[in-house]
Amino acid sequence: EIVLTQSPGTLSLSPGERATLSCRASQSVGKNYLAWFQQKPGKAPRLLIYDASSRATGIPDRFSGSGSGTDFTLTISRLEPEDFAVFYCQQYATSPLTFGGGTRVEIK
Amino acid sequence: QVQLQESGPGLVRPSETLSLTCTVSGDSVSSEHSYRSWIRQPPGKGLEWIGYIYDSGSTNYNPSLQSRVTVSMDTSKNQFSLKLSSVTAADTAVYYCTMGAGWLIDYWGQGTLVTVSS
Repeated sequence: EIVLTQSPGTLSLSPGERATLSCRASQSVGKNYLAWFQQKPGKAPRLLIYDASSRATGIPDRFSGSGSGTDFTLTISRLEPEDFAVFYCQQYATSPLTFGGGTRVEIK
Repeated sequence: QVQLQESGPGLVRPSETLSLTCTVSGDSVSSEHSYRSWIRQPPGKGLEWIGYIYDSGSTNYNPSLQSRVTVSMDTSKNQFSLKLSSVTAADTAVYYCTMGAGWLIDYWGQGTLVTVSS
């Protein structure tokens, strides 16, 4: 099983600032099959990024993903008020599918 | 636009079987979104993949739950279902049904909270 470790656990930032979230895998994620999801309270997760760096349909270009192998990053270039939420990375290369523990991005 | 809706009891007694159904609209069994999964999230915690069913009817389960899980599909009703047996309080969670073209999850239901309690 691929274990995904996200850091930091919580990120306190102000609107307009840049957010950098990390996801580290316990072994290489094949074909960079790594996704990022955003989850707001009481809502289902929403797909932001797939294949490590491709934006999902309708996702603003302030969201970008990068990385390969075992180290991946989600960057939000300039935080908008609606971006504050919990973010999860997920690998879909190997069964069982696994998620990271999440990073909470909160308003400073 | 694909829509998923979970349904089933919100309260299950310990040691009994949790049963949920996901109804799919705006899509069909023969579509490209042929992987249908269940994912759960205990209150205040992270996400756990439970298992999926493919359009051929083949299944794949999380080893941590495999002995207790069954995912099935009713193509005539455009539904797929989850059964989790011998539940305990640790199975209390929001349960989501999802779909994807492959193992990537494109669509999520709104989720349904299932509480295990006597």
